[in-house]
Amino acid sequence: GDSVTQMEGPVTLSEEAFLTINCTYTATGYPSLFWYVQYPGEGLQLLLKATKADDKGSNKGFEATYRKETTSFHLEKGSVQVSDSAVYFCALRAGGYNKLIFGAGTRLAVHP
Amino acid sequence: GAVVSQHPSWVICKSGTSVKIECRSLDFQATTMFWYRQFPKQSLMLMATSNEGSKATYEQGVEKDKFLINHASLTLSTLTVTSAHPEDSSFYICSARDNPTRNYGYTFGSGTRLTVV
Repeated sequence: GDSVTQMEGPVTLSEEAFLTINCTYTATGYPSLFWYVQYPGEGLQLLLKATKADDKGSNKGFEATYRKETTSFHLEKGSVQVSDSAVYFCALRAGGYNKLIFGAGTRLAVHP
Repeated sequence: GAVVSQHPSWVICKSGTSVKIECRSLDFQATTMFWYRQFPKQSLMLMATSNEGSKATYEQGVEKDKFLINHASLTLSTLTVTSAHPEDSSFYICSARDNPTRNYGYTFGSGTRLTVV
């Protein structure tokens, strides 16, 4: 079935460091891909999305490119801030009801 | 933008009792809602998909008689955990979709932390 695999965390970085969180997927057809962020005690918020191959989603300095050939959607940010500390989830949209399937989540901790 | 209100945000109940969690779309009609549960430091696991006016579709391994889902209107879905036990303690999150012609209309509630003692 459809699935999403994310790199395990936690990822610990210093402020202004470069961030990469790997995400690969398995799906039939052509899924849409998403990154969600979950801050402590809150629900999920959509960070960015891409709907077809080679699309680049971007928001708040984060970027991810839909790579069909490698079935990947890695999240990157050039310079992280302490406020970026959160759990990041990669997800794909699949199924007749367009349900979202999530990866395991990657916890990011950014220190001053 | 679209807002989904989920409550209670946290609840503590005794083992054997039932707990109802509500999920409301405040400014749009949610034809489809999804219920997830999240164990500490783990991902969201889809429990079920509900469509307004019809029976919910449960994921494999989810007990439909234990986790009762009702989606009686376009703005309200409820999840009732019946005869709760400590192993049901988890973070439950709902997500609503609005008009199917909108591609990216997934809005999440802020979640309910259930603790069964």
